[in-house]
Amino acid sequence: EAAVTQSPRNKVAVTGGKVTLSCNQTNNHNNMYWYRQDTGHGLRLIHYSYGAGSTEKGDIPDGYKASRPSQENFSLILELATPSQTSVYFCASGDEGQLNERLFFGHGTKLSVL
Amino acid sequence: GDSVTQTEGLVTLTKGLPVMLNCTYQTTYSPFLFWYVQHLNEAPKLLLKSSTDNKRTEHQGFYATLHKSSSSFHLQKSSVQLSDSALYFCAQYQGGRALIFGTGTTVSVSP
Repeated sequence: EAAVTQSPRNKVAVTGGKVTLSCNQTNNHNNMYWYRQDTGHGLRLIHYSYGAGSTEKGDIPDGYKASRPSQENFSLILELATPSQTSVYFCASGDEGQLNERLFFGHGTKLSVL
Repeated sequence: GDSVTQTEGLVTLTKGLPVMLNCTYQTTYSPFLFWYVQHLNEAPKLLLKSSTDNKRTEHQGFYATLHKSSSSFHLQKSSVQLSDSALYFCAQYQGGRALIFGTGTTVSVSP
């Protein structure tokens, strides 16, 4: 099974601080995604990538940047963290082309911004 | 734009009873629908998927049929177990761009 590893698993940050969430996948998938999970909103797409060097905006990109320096790694960056960004963040990679793609998720990063 | 709607936030039932979780969608493209399940403190995992109209797809005792006429992809199981307690997400591809999810339905099964 595809392996997606997120770090850290838990993070406490201060308002206005910079936060970087990291994601690594070992199955050579082209596509990678960042979602946040909030009660009542489900999983919402923040940024995604089709391969090294590419990033695309998802449905809620404001306040977030993404970086895909290699096939394996995809980072989510909060330059100026705010309490509204307190959430659980999931990274995922995809094993096929679009439309019929199965996503493999990491175990999530719980972020608290105080 | 494209969207996925799950009407139930919480479903509570007793072991052995049937369950149906509602999912409807809107899209201007050909629909590709998915159900993901997330157990407590775990990552979401694919449960089943379909893009074929009126064909039942099954996995691990769960089944769903994509009905394009009613834009629905409801998830069903004939007899729930305690281990089925989890958060269930319906999802579809958003214009061939990325997967978008519904708000999720929590299923709580009691003995």
